[in-house]
Amino acid sequence: NAGVMQNPRHLVRRRGQEARLRCSPMKGHSHVYWYRQLPEEGLKFMVYLQKENIIDESGMPKERFSAEFPKEGPSILRIQQVVRGDSAAYFCASSPLSGTEAFFGQGTRLTVV
Amino acid sequence: GIQVEQSPPDLILQEGANSTLRCNFSDSVNNLQWFHQNPWGQLINLFYIPSGTKQNGRLSATTVATERYSLLYISSSQTTDSGVYFCAVVQTGANNLFFGTGTRLTVIP
Repeated sequence: NAGVMQNPRHLVRRRGQEARLRCSPMKGHSHVYWYRQLPEEGLKFMVYLQKENIIDESGMPKERFSAEFPKEGPSILRIQQVVRGDSAAYFCASSPLSGTEAFFGQGTRLTVV
Repeated sequence: GIQVEQSPPDLILQEGANSTLRCNFSDSVNNLQWFHQNPWGQLINLFYIPSGTKQNGRLSATTVATERYSLLYISSSQTTDSGVYFCAVVQTGANNLFFGTGTRLTVIP
């Protein structure tokens, strides 16, 4: 049973470009969470999605960031017009039910140059 | 919102030593998890322990939900135990994990 899969593992973007981060949850999990980790800091919640629905986006920046979890395919975290401050590790987690044990992917490390 | 405090922030151990990491939280929770983030950045699930005691090899954890704390015990530490240990909770009524600031453990040979 494969774990949570994130890709790419590393992503380099120039300022102003778009970044797309992908997350495939564990088999049987329909709840997906995105977190951001700045260097030397803990993980901060960004958004919680179920299939085709955004349930809680209270941690998402109001501009440039969006997330989706379509009926088919992986969840996508999209960052438009990236700035240097977006450089961070972005982790995705999934769980079978809301608020139950969550499992994390290996993260995508975004570097904005 | 809920506050999650971990102590100590940093810990240096000689290989073979034992240690106890603490996690205090400020409100009732439905879920509590311990994670190990290794030096490569990977987050590894250690325990899902909203209450009670669990053991897995050299690691064990205890959560006393009524007193709002959890403890992670590491016995006979090894250099591969190095990394950051995070406690994360789901506050009652919420739906996502809230992370503490972590304990950075360094085990020296």
